[in-house]
Amino acid sequence: DSGVTQTPKHLITATGQRVTLRCSPRSGDLSVYWYQQSLDQGLQFLIQYYNGEERAKGNILERFSAQQFPDLHSELNLSSLELGDSALYFCASSKRSVGTDTQYFGPGTRLTVL
Amino acid sequence: GESVGLHLPTLSVQEGDNSIINCAYSNSASDYFIWYKQESGKGPQFIIDIRSNMDKRQGQRVTVLLNKTVKHLSLQIAATQPGDSAVYFCAENPLLRNNAGNMLTFGGGTRLMVKP
Repeated sequence: DSGVTQTPKHLITATGQRVTLRCSPRSGDLSVYWYQQSLDQGLQFLIQYYNGEERAKGNILERFSAQQFPDLHSELNLSSLELGDSALYFCASSKRSVGTDTQYFGPGTRLTVL
Repeated sequence: GESVGLHLPTLSVQEGDNSIINCAYSNSASDYFIWYKQESGKGPQFIIDIRSNMDKRQGQRVTVLLNKTVKHLSLQIAATQPGDSAVYFCAENPLLRNNAGNMLTFGGGTRLMVKP
């Protein structure tokens, strides 16, 4: 158990809908990262927040957004969902925002868009 | 299945043998490399890391080798056990020098199957 928690574990929804994925980092970690793992793209970095502020951005679609709250938990919002958004979404956390910080991954949320 | 059912290269080894998993990375500016293990239904789990100023680092039953000349990384697992069966990913941090965040770029992964 990495200490990173994600809810829900599974999510099934329809095209055009909006969902929110939630992540609680390990105790003491200030950085939260979101990754998408899909069949055709593998594991891809989406976005990083550090102590409430956006720190790095990957190939995150405009339909996706994230935020980190004062208690350091983070939410990833996915809107106008398409079939291709079906994937595993992982959250990771690390102590700081230094490149050599180990990122610890949560168990993931499996999103299925029908 | 493991990961999300990607069609991954597979390495099949006998229990007790040594395993070598290879990875080619893309960014010659990357300074930091990590190996992760992903078991079925779980998130990636940190195994071992290495900085670009090193060419070898050892952990418990695992060794990572880095060849910067050919941009190649390998993970060696000694005395492979059934519990080592998983998908293994190498990852690099391309932003380390820029101090502009901490994103990881993952390789495609290799499925390790250990035969009892």
